[in-house]
Amino acid sequence: QKEVEQNSGPLSVPEGAIASLNCTYSDRGSQSFFWYRQYSGKSPELIMSIYSNGDKEDGRFTAQLNKASQYVSLLIRDSQPSDSATYLCAVFNTGGFKTIFGAGTRLFVKA
Amino acid sequence: SAVISQKPSRDICQRGTSLTIQCQVDSQVTMMFWYRQQPGQSLTLIATANQGSEATYESGFVIDKFPISRPNLTFSTLTVSNMSPEDSSIYLCSVDLGEETQYFGPGTRLLVL
Repeated sequence: QKEVEQNSGPLSVPEGAIASLNCTYSDRGSQSFFWYRQYSGKSPELIMSIYSNGDKEDGRFTAQLNKASQYVSLLIRDSQPSDSATYLCAVFNTGGFKTIFGAGTRLFVKA
Repeated sequence: SAVISQKPSRDICQRGTSLTIQCQVDSQVTMMFWYRQQPGQSLTLIATANQGSEATYESGFVIDKFPISRPNLTFSTLTVSNMSPEDSSIYLCSVDLGEETQYFGPGTRLLVL
């Protein structure tokens, strides 16, 4: 079992729709969770961090965390073509004291 | 966040040679990391660069192949030694600015012929 799992996609949504990106993790003791956006040819850019169960909103982005289910998600409202990128889920692994990155989900927003 | 720069931004090298990549941060940070991202893949941690002590390498990465220096709290280098085409990748440095949150440099795109 991979430590951080994401659906590789591609996920295709029409402009203006909600894009839902999901991630599961194996380390039950993890406390810190992150979503990064990576445009083709660029380095990862931090979008959201979340540390407590529930929802955290920042503009059009909402991160959701459910530690009991070991599940993290990212919702992008009113998706724009500029949101087309690969989204990486990252989890800080308390056992190894390092951040583990998922393989990423490719998102395409169609104009 | 922090301003992170890497040099070179890209390079084409011959097999058997070595390349040193530099990472500079505009503020003092305790934790710096080096990652590799192969085409179409996610990030793989190479090592944690510790200031004043040897780097901590992840499984599959060794100091002889990827020597790392961390002379102060704003700078680190990663050397890719005795390169082969399999080392063609993007190499990224990152810094932890607190709460396990990492910020990445722009990356170094390496092609080994």
